[in-house]
Amino acid sequence: ETGVTQTPRHLVMGMTNKKSLKCEQHLGHNAMYWYKQSAKKPLELMFVYNFKEQTENNSVPSRFSPECPNSSHLFLHLHTLQPEDSALYLCASRLLDNNSNQPQHFGDGTRLSIL
Amino acid sequence: AQKITQTQPGMFVQEKEAVTLDCTYDTSDQSYGLFWYKQPSSGEMIFLIYQGSYDEQNATEGRYSLNFQKARKSANLVISASQLGDSAMYFCAMREGISQGAQKLVFGQGTRLTINP
Repeated sequence: ETGVTQTPRHLVMGMTNKKSLKCEQHLGHNAMYWYKQSAKKPLELMFVYNFKEQTENNSVPSRFSPECPNSSHLFLHLHTLQPEDSALYLCASRLLDNNSNQPQHFGDGTRLSIL
Repeated sequence: AQKITQTQPGMFVQEKEAVTLDCTYDTSDQSYGLFWYKQPSSGEMIFLIYQGSYDEQNATEGRYSLNFQKARKSANLVISASQLGDSAMYFCAMREGISQGAQKLVFGQGTRLTINP
């Protein structure tokens, strides 16, 4: 139990579908992150939210749309995805404070396959 | 630009032996931090250990320790007395700058560690 819960664990969708990934953290953290992990590539940061405000968009295509309604929940809305978007999508959270060694805590990820 | 390099795609070690996983980094920042994460086949990333650039001593956390050589820009992870459950992917990551606000991490390619019985 990591304290960061992602649903669904697996998702298969067609390129014309619309779906959403959900992330919920029970750690009292106030920063949340979306990462993409493709085969044979390092983890890529996608979005960062601090106190519900987006502070980072790492040149992510608009077919990925994040939403952070509160500090505990983070969504990633998907539409018109491409086959190269198939990957493991990881959510992470962190406590924002002056302690620079606070690590990010990750969920189990959603494995997304685009047909 | 920052970069993390993990030169060992795969490592095979006998159970109970110690293992060192290499990580070198490139940064022009004076203040930075280095993290190691473990990713089992189930997918979750598990935080293992942290080393700050101004920390004078090498970080230790149970069976995990960091061999931090600042002049060489390396932060190798040492796992002592390896166990079968240590088999996983291991990622080195660097935090850029002072951690005020968002903590942006840059990850290496990872090393797949396999512990043989």
